[in-house]
Amino acid sequence: DTGVSQNPRHKITKRGQNVTFRCDPISEHNRLYWYRQTLGQGPEFLTYFQNEAQLEKSRLLSDRFSAERPKGSFSTLEIQRTEQGDSAMYLCASSLGGRNEAFFGQGTRLTVV
Amino acid sequence: GESVGLHLPTLSVQEGDNSIINCAYSNSASDYFIWYKQESGKGPQFIIDIRSNMDKRQGQRVTVLLNKTVKHLSLQIAATQPGDSAVYFCAETRLSSGSARQLTFGSGTQLTVLP
Repeated sequence: DTGVSQNPRHKITKRGQNVTFRCDPISEHNRLYWYRQTLGQGPEFLTYFQNEAQLEKSRLLSDRFSAERPKGSFSTLEIQRTEQGDSAMYLCASSLGGRNEAFFGQGTRLTVV
Repeated sequence: GESVGLHLPTLSVQEGDNSIINCAYSNSASDYFIWYKQESGKGPQFIIDIRSNMDKRQGQRVTVLLNKTVKHLSLQIAATQPGDSAVYFCAETRLSSGSARQLTFGSGTQLTVLP
């Protein structure tokens, strides 16, 4: 499968715990995006990488959130001290520079209890 | 503020009929639009896109129409099939805004295809 891969698919955590999600973009895609989607809503932009550089962050990305893409390939999104309001689907997408369409992964569904 | 919205939250159509899903956007600076299909438990799947210098684009069984005068976008699905049942999102971005290409999504329309 050469699509965007996200792990884990589901994560249940207790409030206050830290969680980390991984995204493997489509090979050769230099652009990588993280979005968050709550039930019944469209995805909301969180952050964007071009290669290893994090070029843009949404105001939605609080200090408890950090994203990395150390080698310009896979990316991780960490949420520290999780809160119930963090419960959502976290989606990763990638695109190739010069092309506009972004391709999404299956997402990681986070439930904070 | 900027927003992308959909006229109807749900749409039910008979199998074999054509479906039309509408979307309104408020940011006149938007110059690129995408329709995504999202099935339950899955990520959004790219369907078709259109630039603001076009008013119509056709794909396989799908057509996107763009009316910049009234800031309206529609997705037409011909001969709707049960596999078309999903939530459909329109999304917009401004290619001229730089390299981010972040998308602004609407809240979605649930399409249900009836047998």
